[in-house]
Amino acid sequence: DAGVIQSPRHEVTEMGQEVTLRCKPISGHNSLFWYRQTMMRGLELLIYFNNNVPIDDSGMPEDRFSAKMPNASFSTLKIQPSEPRDSAVYFCASSLGQGTNGYTFGSGTRLTVV
Amino acid sequence: DAKTTQPPSMDCAEGRAANLPCNHSTISGNEYVYWYRQIHSQGPQYIIHGLKNNETNEMASLIITEDRKSSTLILPHATLRDTAVYYCIVLPQNAGNMLTFGGGTRLMVKP
Repeated sequence: DAGVIQSPRHEVTEMGQEVTLRCKPISGHNSLFWYRQTMMRGLELLIYFNNNVPIDDSGMPEDRFSAKMPNASFSTLKIQPSEPRDSAVYFCASSLGQGTNGYTFGSGTRLTVV
Repeated sequence: DAKTTQPPSMDCAEGRAANLPCNHSTISGNEYVYWYRQIHSQGPQYIIHGLKNNETNEMASLIITEDRKSSTLILPHATLRDTAVYYCIVLPQNAGNMLTFGGGTRLMVKP
């Protein structure tokens, strides 16, 4: 199993540009989570999908952020327009069922907005 | 969800046991104790979880006190690769629960 796959690993973009982060969960996992990590705020949960349906997006910081999960094997997190304060490492995680046996995280996307 | 309290940092000598404490005095009866760790520049990694019995796997042991108000994660023979931030999280076993991370303990394993 290749684990949770995120792309790109690194992204540098100019303020105002649209950024799309991608995630492929582990096959068979039916829950998917997007997290953001910064030095100041630590790991923050942004949004949670279950069976491709967004269940809780209360952690999404602003309307500039949107996430989709068109099918069980793919999810995107989009920021439009991006701002320097969005610079962070974004992690995707997946789990089976209620995550009883733990979440599996991807390697993250390091986003730098200049 | 119950809150957890962990020391911000700890040191451990290589080859010795690392004992990482976690206080969760407000834990409810249906809440499990989970441990994750995050090695620098990597995503968090699941280690172990338990309800009230002690648990052991290939990575670590989890000791939960009888009153369940605290627990200890034990890495029996710490290596330099165990240097990481360790997170203790309590989570109910209900549908739709989401993992939220606190500050964790930064463990430094020294040669």
